[in-house]
Amino acid sequence: KNEVEQSPQNLTAQEGEFITINCSYSVGISALHWLQQHPGGGIVSLFMLSSGKKKHGRLIATINIQEKHSSLHITASHPRDSAVYICAVGTGRDDKIIFGKGTRLHILP
Amino acid sequence: NAGVMQNPRHLVRRRGQEARLRCSPMKGHSHVYWYRQLPEEGLKFMVYLQKENIIDESGMPKERFSAEFPKEGPSILRIQQVVRGDSAAYFCASSLASVGQPQHFGDGTRLSIL
Repeated sequence: KNEVEQSPQNLTAQEGEFITINCSYSVGISALHWLQQHPGGGIVSLFMLSSGKKKHGRLIATINIQEKHSSLHITASHPRDSAVYICAVGTGRDDKIIFGKGTRLHILP
Repeated sequence: NAGVMQNPRHLVRRRGQEARLRCSPMKGHSHVYWYRQLPEEGLKFMVYLQKENIIDESGMPKERFSAEFPKEGPSILRIQQVVRGDSAAYFCASSLASVGQPQHFGDGTRLSIL
C-alpha cells in the first residue's frame, strides 16, 4: 500500500463544475503539499499546509490531521485547470517528500 | 526574480554515455532536492543536498548516479553509463530551510536514452 493515496486517479468534468480531489496518507507528516503539473510542463506548488484550510483564488485546500486526509477543491472549474494534481507529504526530518501518483483532471468546455 | 532553473530542458543520450543535469536554486536557497518521474509513474525522491554536503541520498541508485552542490555554481546530477531505464523527467526543487518551508520546483529535464 502506498504511503500517499489519491482519488480519483482520473477525473473528467464539465466547465463550471465543483471539483474535489482527495488525498490520504499513512505516515507522520510535517506538512502536506498540493502540486500542479501541466502536460509536458513543470511543477507548480499550489499549497503547503499543516492544519486547517487555505484558499487561493478558486482553489481551496483542507487538511484533517486526525484523519490523515486532505482535499483539494476547485470552484467554477475551467478548461485551463486541466492538469495532473499531485498530493505530497513532507515527512519531517529533512522534509523528504513522498508523492502520490496524481489525479489527472480534464475539464471539458 | 528567477525561480529554480534547470538545464537542459531536454537531453538525449545514447546508451553508455554520461548525462549531466544542472539545477540553479532560487536566490537565497541553500537546500536542493532532486526527484525522478518515470513514465506513467509518480515522482520519487532521489537526493537532498545543502551547499557542499549530501544530506540524504537514500533514493538514489547506488551505482552510476551521483549528485553534488558545490559552494559556487549549480547543483549537478550526474548519470554515468546511461541505460534505457534512466529515461525519465528529473526535477529539482529548492527551499530556504529543510523543514517548514515550501519547495519551489524547476521545469525539469527530460532525459531520453536512445
